[in-house]
Amino acid sequence: KAGVTQTPRYLIKTRGQQVTLSCSPISGHRSVSWYQQTPGQGLQFLFEYFSETQRNKGNFPGRFSGRQFSNSRSEMNVSTLELGDSALYLCASREQLGSGNTIYFGEGSWLTVV
Amino acid sequence: DQQVKQNSPSLSVQEGRISILNCDYTNSMFDYFLWYKKYPAEGPTFLISISSIKDKNEDGRFTVFLNKSAKHLSLHIVPSQPGDSAVYFCAASNFGNEKLTFGTGTRLTIIP
Repeated sequence: KAGVTQTPRYLIKTRGQQVTLSCSPISGHRSVSWYQQTPGQGLQFLFEYFSETQRNKGNFPGRFSGRQFSNSRSEMNVSTLELGDSALYLCASREQLGSGNTIYFGEGSWLTVV
Repeated sequence: DQQVKQNSPSLSVQEGRISILNCDYTNSMFDYFLWYKKYPAEGPTFLISISSIKDKNEDGRFTVFLNKSAKHLSLHIVPSQPGDSAVYFCAASNFGNEKLTFGTGTRLTIIP
């Protein structure tokens, strides 16, 4: 079974621009969540989608948004990029919601904002 | 408010010995705990998990212990191998709010 796939792996954007990151979950997984990893803050939860509906949201500004499609693929968008948005963005998937369902991560998308 | 804490940013262990990584949490509603391993430039890899109804879970060289009264969990790796050198994150979730809350990670270095 293929793992969680994220594209692009690396990208550089300029302050003020917007960016869209894409994620394909493991086949059969209906939940997709997004995390931001920065050196100082560790892994921070952004949001989770299940059946095209946002189920949970972290403490990030409205510039961070996401969506999920009917095939469970997901995208996240960051508008009006700031230097502090430079981070590794990780997508993760699990079969179902529920505490006992293990979350599996993709390799991440490295975003650098200059 | 850091609800999951890994107080040791780094740990060095001789190859073949036991590695013990620790994690403390403050939210008593957490009912599921996981450990992930992360190499640079890669996503975290799931290692092992434990439900709050258990106090121990083993998988090969990895054992996770949960002490609910102390709100503490630990990951034991025996024997430690060079390939175990990585950053280890503990994470927790609770039934009502299922997002994972991560600790800040512990960098484990296995010395040959």
